[in-house]
Formats: sequence, C-alpha cells, structure tokens
Amino acid sequence: EDKVVQSPLSLVVHEGDTVTLNCSYEVTNFRSLLWYKQEKKAPTFLFMLTSSGIEKKSGRLSSILDKKELFSILNITATQTGDSAIYLCAVEAEEYGNKLVFGAGTILRVKS
Amino acid sequence: EAQVTQNPRYLITVTGKKLTVTCSQNMNHEYMSWYRQDPGLGLRQIYYSMNVEVTDKGDVPEGYKVSRKEKRNFPLILESPSPNQTSLYFCASSSRGWYSNQPQHFGDGTRLSIL
Repeated sequence: EDKVVQSPLSLVVHEGDTVTLNCSYEVTNFRSLLWYKQEKKAPTFLFMLTSSGIEKKSGRLSSILDKKELFSILNITATQTGDSAIYLCAVEAEEYGNKLVFGAGTILRVKS
Repeated sequence: EAQVTQNPRYLITVTGKKLTVTCSQNMNHEYMSWYRQDPGLGLRQIYYSMNVEVTDKGDVPEGYKVSRKEKRNFPLILESPSPNQTSLYFCASSSRGWYSNQPQHFGDGTRLSIL
C-alpha cells in the first residue's frame, strides 16, 4: 500500500530559527513529490521534485529529494511568524495518473 | 484570475438530507479531484476525473457521487449524508496528464458538518 509519512507531526520554533521537515514515502512507480503549505484555507503549491539531489529553492524555503532513500526534506531558514502553517507532502505515482497520496502534515508554529 | 471555486464554503445540515458541493475551475484543466481532510489523516482522495464523462473512485468514495458533464465543473454529491462525512473538503484541478508535469491547484475548501 502506498504511504507517505511526515515528521515531526508538529513543532514550535522561535522567529529566526531554521527548521527541517521530513517526508518519507513508499510508492510503486514514483513520478513526483510535492510540497504544499496550508494556512487557513487552500493548500498552496511550494515545490515539485522529480529528480534526486537537485535542490529547489524559493526565497527562504528549499527542498531536496533522495529517490534512493525515499525521502525528501523541506528547509525553512530565518523563520517568520508568517511561516506558521501546516506543511503537506504528497507523492504521485505513475499508475495513478494524477492522484496524490498525502502525508498527515507537519504543523509548524513560529513564535515571535 | 486562475482559480478553483467551491461552494458553499460552510454548511451545517442534518443526516439524510441530500447536498451538493460545487466546484468550478477556469483554467481549462482536464484533471479534477475531490479530497477530504481529517485531523491526523491528511488529505484523502474521494473521486477524480481525467476528463469530461471520465470519473473514477479514489481511496474513500463510499457515500459520495460525482459527475463531469462539462470540463470546468465537478460537483460532489452526498445523497444521504451521515455524521462521519463531517469534514473539510477540497476540490483540485490540474492540466496534468500522463505526459505533462504541472501541480494541482486547490479550492479554498468547504467545511461540512452533518448533525
């Protein structure tokens, strides 16, 4: 059965800290791994990763994929209170067309 | 503005009273999907549609129906809602197919409470 496991489930940090969120997966015929940020409403897209070892970066956020060890990390440097959200990891498998299998999410709270 | 629009945003109703949650996208996407989000479980797929008149079950389809008569619309129907369908629902769409590579875009969600 395909599954995606995120850790930690939640964490609280102070502004300026650096955080690393983890996502491990087991899926047949891997196609891509996606990270989303969810605040009060719709998940918003952050990154799509398809190749191992290639870091994707957007401002203070970055992510990388290891297809051999079947995991990805999402790094946030110099955290701000606006980074407080649920971070969702999802994996797409070839055999499912566009279906996304989601992890339970990591709840991040950044304190000022 | 490119968007996925769901209605209603909030609904409180009673067991057994049929309801429909509408979803519309203006991006001409082929693929549309419904998810439900429950604490500790993440988002789970209910139904999806690869194109007009093509729909299929996701992981948790029981108690739900969908239709895809037009490309832009993908309504979710609860024929006889029950309390275990109380959840936060998201519609998503993308232009992805077997050979494209674009992420899914989500609507703002519909919070359903079934009493």
